Amino acid sequence: AQSVTQPDIHITVSEGASLELRCNYSYGATPYLFWYVQSPGQGLQLLLKYFSGDTLVQGIKGFEAEFKRSQSSFNLRKPSVHWSDAAEYFCAVGNKNTDKLIFGTGTRLQVFP
Amino acid sequence: DAGVTQSPTHLIKTRGQQVTLRCSPKSGHDTVSWYQQALGQGPQFIFQYYEEEERQRGNFPDRFSGHQFPNYSSELNVNALLLGDSALYLCASSLGGGDTEAFFGQGTRLTVV
Repeated sequence: AQSVTQPDIHITVSEGASLELRCNYSYGATPYLFWYVQSPGQGLQLLLKYFSGDTLVQGIKGFEAEFKRSQSSFNLRKPSVHWSDAAEYFCAVGNKNTDKLIFGTGTRLQVFP
Repeated sequence: DAGVTQSPTHLIKTRGQQVTLRCSPKSGHDTVSWYQQALGQGPQFIFQYYEEEERQRGNFPDRFSGHQFPNYSSELNVNALLLGDSALYLCASSLGGGDTEAFFGQGTRLTVV
């Protein structure tokens, strides 16, 4: 069965520190992978996506993610976190045939000044 | 471009009642998907509409039904509401096919009392 695991429910970092949010997936075929961000009371905004090609993907707001097939991972990184990055982050998996997305349970990021 | 719009933003219903949520997709998008996001959870796929037909369905009971109109807008109907139906309901639109970005609306917060 397809699934996405985000092991970290809650992460706290200081402003300016680096960030890595973990995502592991279980998928039978070549996955399409996504990271979304959700601010309180808001919908989801796409940060970045991976379909094929270069395994290091650049996104908006200075985020990047690396697809590692051998580890079934798609971790999200940012070299220097800003206070405005505080939000809930969701990893999701899809495939080439459908727009249906399977989401992880999310990681809540808190940023201290 | 107004993006994906959902209405209403909030509503409160009583157990056993019926509710209709509405979604207008991003301009040019022909596929609409609905997700349920319970508090503290990731979005769960309910179903997807394309060309006015339900194309895929997640693991939700028949109390959840939908419709897509010729202008691609969509409705989500839930009958015989249960307390457990309280959640944020998200609509996403896309061009269809997995290699396109799904754009999400702000969601409708449904509270069942």
